[in-house]
Amino acid sequence: DIQMTQSPSSLSASVGDRVTITCRASQSIGNYLNWYQQEPGKAPKLLIYGASSLQSGVPSRFSGSGSGTDFTLTLSSLQPEDFATYYCQQSYSTWTFGQGTRVEIK
Amino acid sequence: QVQLVQSGSEVKKPGASVKVSCKASGYSFTSYDINWVRQATGQGLEWMGWMNANNGNTGYAQKLQGRVTMTRDTSISTAYMELSSLRSEDTAVYYCAREVVTGRVDYWGQGTLVTVSS
Repeated sequence: DIQMTQSPSSLSASVGDRVTITCRASQSIGNYLNWYQQEPGKAPKLLIYGASSLQSGVPSRFSGSGSGTDFTLTLSSLQPEDFATYYCQQSYSTWTFGQGTRVEIK
Repeated sequence: QVQLVQSGSEVKKPGASVKVSCKASGYSFTSYDINWVRQATGQGLEWMGWMNANNGNTGYAQKLQGRVTMTRDTSISTAYMELSSLRSEDTAVYYCAREVVTGRVDYWGQGTLVTVSS
């Protein structure tokens, strides 16, 4: 199975900060990498698909990059509604999720 | 609008089985795969398997092979996930999810809490 390792597991940031979350795959997955946001008690929400494509309706402050084994999710200017947990997901071979990154208010 | 509406919470004893339903509306049910993902309290997301809603073909996570079965009833646009030989570690919220393109989920069910306790 392909393993996905996210870092950091949690971070504290302030509104307006630039935030970067990384995800590393245990083998090359091309661009079969998606990012989701999950608020407490809710289902995940798709933010980025194909490593760098913005899902319709998602604010442009979210962006994704990378290919192969190393990927990044960037929030250019953190907003109050962005405090949540973020997961990467590979779909190159079945699915695997990263362990999540919790973004908290500093 | 697209909706996936899941059945309600369940409490089961160890060794029992549970069957969760996921009723789709607002789109052609047979045009998209349905995946199931679960999440234990305070934990991350775990993929369980997928089902082609058109022909019923399935694929399951290796760790659940032999205990999970995914089926559908196209006449009522409903997918089902049945998990048998339940253990306390199966206590989780179970989500169904519509896969629009390979690996990309655009709609999720609201989640079903399954509690396994003696």
